[in-house]
Amino acid sequence: DAKTTQPPSMDCAEGRAANLPCNHSTISGNEYVYWYRQIHSQGPQYIIHGLKNNETNEMASLIITEDRKSSTLILPHATLRDTAVYYCIVRGGAAGNKLTFGGGTRVLVKP
Amino acid sequence: DAGVTQSPTHLIKTRGQHVTLRCSPISGHKSVSWYQQVLGQGPQFIFQYYEKEERGRGNFPDRFSARQFPNYSSELNVNALLLGDSALYLCASSGTGGDTQYFGPGTRLTVL
Repeated sequence: DAKTTQPPSMDCAEGRAANLPCNHSTISGNEYVYWYRQIHSQGPQYIIHGLKNNETNEMASLIITEDRKSSTLILPHATLRDTAVYYCIVRGGAAGNKLTFGGGTRVLVKP
Repeated sequence: DAGVTQSPTHLIKTRGQHVTLRCSPISGHKSVSWYQQVLGQGPQFIFQYYEKEERGRGNFPDRFSARQFPNYSSELNVNALLLGDSALYLCASSGTGGDTQYFGPGTRLTVL
């Protein structure tokens, strides 16, 4: 699985959009970009995933560059409950393909 | 619909003991994966099972074993516990082995 690089931490103002970058320059053609978040001591929560196209759901938007070497997770209106560690993971779609968690980005939403 | 459930929520054992952790996947999911998360680190992959067969194994010693039952629930067994096995053990289920994985709340294991 390709390696990802994320900033270790970032702050965001409540009510503003949070833009979380991720680099995955070695991603291969059949690998998806997944985003999870983990609020303290809870199990990771799935947010969104994509292959090539931008994706949006009720939680967030995922913007993947055309060359697929980087992506951005957008939380449109951050709330205090969005404070968490956010993990960007690249993973193939076949059985047996594990999720490889890096250090993630620790996001602190401030009032 | 119920999500992934794990039991017990917390567990305290002493060194050398054996432990069994249990996981029930989301209804209709046939794959279960296990992860270990040591304090301050991201989760590390231990096993994946799909249709009751092992489909992936992480870099963990043979003291760690797992199995999946006909109803797709799963057990993770750890023998000869060490202090370093203290961690949050996470179970994730997916429809197939390659689908999106959804995590349970975890079992917090403390080894004294």
